[in-house]
Amino acid sequence: DIQMTQSPSSLSASVGDRVTITCRASQDISTHVAWFQQKPGKVPKVLIYGASTLQSGVPSRFSGSGSGTDFTLTLSSLQPEDVATYYCQKYDSAPRSFGQGTRVEIK
Amino acid sequence: QVQLVQSGAEVKKPGASVKVSCKASGYTFTSYDIQWVRQATGQGLQWMGWMNPNSGDTGYAERFQGRVTMSRNTSISTAYMELSSVRSDDTAVYYCGRGSGWIDNWGQGTLVTVSS
Repeated sequence: DIQMTQSPSSLSASVGDRVTITCRASQDISTHVAWFQQKPGKVPKVLIYGASTLQSGVPSRFSGSGSGTDFTLTLSSLQPEDVATYYCQKYDSAPRSFGQGTRVEIK
Repeated sequence: QVQLVQSGAEVKKPGASVKVSCKASGYTFTSYDIQWVRQATGQGLQWMGWMNPNSGDTGYAERFQGRVTMSRNTSISTAYMELSSVRSDDTAVYYCGRGSGWIDNWGQGTLVTVSS
């Protein structure tokens, strides 16, 4: 099975900082990656699909990039409401596994 | 609007089976896969498997093979996930999600507690 390795596991940044989270697939998965945000006690919500397509309604400070094996989620200017755990998911084929998650906090 | 409404919390003894339902509305139930994901307290998202509601085809993560069954009743637009021989480490919130690729809509989650 293809593994998704996400890093870092947690980060702390200041409001307004640029934040980058990465996911690495163990094999080429083209652009079949989605990114999710899960706030404490809430259901996950999709932010990005197709590695770089912003889901409707998601603020433009979120962006995704990458193809093949290396993928990145970027928050251009961290806001207090972005405190959450972020996950990548591969969906090229089963198993459609998730990365381990990145907890984002405000410094 | 698309909605996935899951059944209520369950408490099960070790060795029992649990069946969680996921009722879809706001779209054509047979047009999108249903995926199941679980999350233990304080842990990450764990993908369990998928089902095509049109064909009934399923695919399960290896760690659940032999213990999980995903099914559907198209007449009531409802998907089911049954997990057998549950143990304490199956205690988690179980989510259904709509998506033939990524999950674009999630159910509210069902807490399954396994305790003697």
